[in-house]
Parts: sequence; C-alpha cells; structure tokens
Amino acid sequence: NAGVTQTPKFQVLKTGQSMTLQCAQDMNHNSMYWYRQDPGMGLRLIYYSASEGTTDKGEVPNGYNVSRLNKREFSLRLESAAPSQTSVYFCASKVLAGNNEQFFGPGTRLTVL
Amino acid sequence: AQSVSQHNHHVILSEAASLELGCNYSYGGTVNLFWYVQYPGQHLQLLLKYFSGDPLVKGIKGFEAEFIKSKFSFNLRKPSVQWSDTAEYFCAFPGGTDKLIFGTGTRLQVFP
Repeated sequence: NAGVTQTPKFQVLKTGQSMTLQCAQDMNHNSMYWYRQDPGMGLRLIYYSASEGTTDKGEVPNGYNVSRLNKREFSLRLESAAPSQTSVYFCASKVLAGNNEQFFGPGTRLTVL
Repeated sequence: AQSVSQHNHHVILSEAASLELGCNYSYGGTVNLFWYVQYPGQHLQLLLKYFSGDPLVKGIKGFEAEFIKSKFSFNLRKPSVQWSDTAEYFCAFPGGTDKLIFGTGTRLQVFP
C-alpha cells in the first residue's frame, strides 16, 4: 500500500494563477482532509470530506475549493492564488467515524510570489 | 470553543535528558487524544493515542503519555531523548465526529 499520496511535491505560482493539488489514498478510507501548515500555527483544516459525495468547510476555507472525485481521490483547488496561501499542504484520510486516527500524505510545499 | 494548547513552543535538550511536553485540551466529553510527530522534511506520523482504559499510553520509540482527566492534560514524556528525536510534536483531539483539532506544535531540538 502506498498510503496517502500527494502531487506535486513542490510548486511555485504567481499571484492570480490557479492550480489543483491532488491527493489519493489506497486504504479504502471514508474520510479525507486538507490541511495547511504554517510556522507557529500548527495544522489548520481547510476542507474535509466525511464520505464520498460530501464536502464541508474547515477552519480556513476561504480561497479554496475541493472535489471528492471518488472514494480514493480528494483534490484541492486554488482558483486565484495569493501570497497568503504560501504554505505546506497536507492531505489526510481516516477509516471511519468514531476512530479519529488520521493518516497523512507527504505534503505539497506551495510558494505564491 | 474546543481547543488544544501546547505550552512549549521550542524545547532544546541534550541527549539523554528527560522530556516532557505539555498538552491541555478544553472539552468535557469523551476524549480521544493523539500525539503526532513530524521529522524534518517529512509528514506527520502517529506517535501514540489514547481512546480509553489505562491512562498511561505507550507509543513508538520509547515515548509515553499520561491522560489526566482532572487536569484536562495529555503530556508526552520520554525518559532519555536521542538526537534522532529532533522533530516537531503535535497534540490533537477530536473537534467533531470526523475532525481533529491540532495544537500549534512543539519544536524539539536534541543536541549530541
């Protein structure tokens, strides 16, 4: 099992450009998550999908959209990137409700100039 | 609002020193508690977790944590740290049925 995979690993964008971060998991997990990690702020939840076909906003959803393409894949889209979105983005998944252990991907380091 | 606090932002230790990292949460219901570790340049990995039962939980690499309900705490401990323990440590607990709330993290540096 590859676990949780993310692409790309690194990306540099100019302000106003758009891009999609891809996430996939092969553990047959129901729930998937997108976090951003910034120095001194820990991990903050952007969006999550409790199950296939549903998505919900987290703590910091502004400027982002998500798509739960199928049970395996959960993408994060920046429509018009801003320097404030410079961060490391982590995708995570977990198997079912009641057990909150999450498994994380390797992260995408995004720089917006 | 539910929250989790990590009081130590940056800890510097010499090898063989003992470690204790503080974590407090504000939530009155049933808790599941987690410690995750992030080694430099890597993703978060589960270090240990508490769901129920014995409040002293043992994790990987010699780490342990004690859940003290009366103090709303879940502190992480290790009797003797190694250089390879240099990492960032995050405490987390559920912020709803399907969500985790993470603390701001503690950066641990261990010098040989």
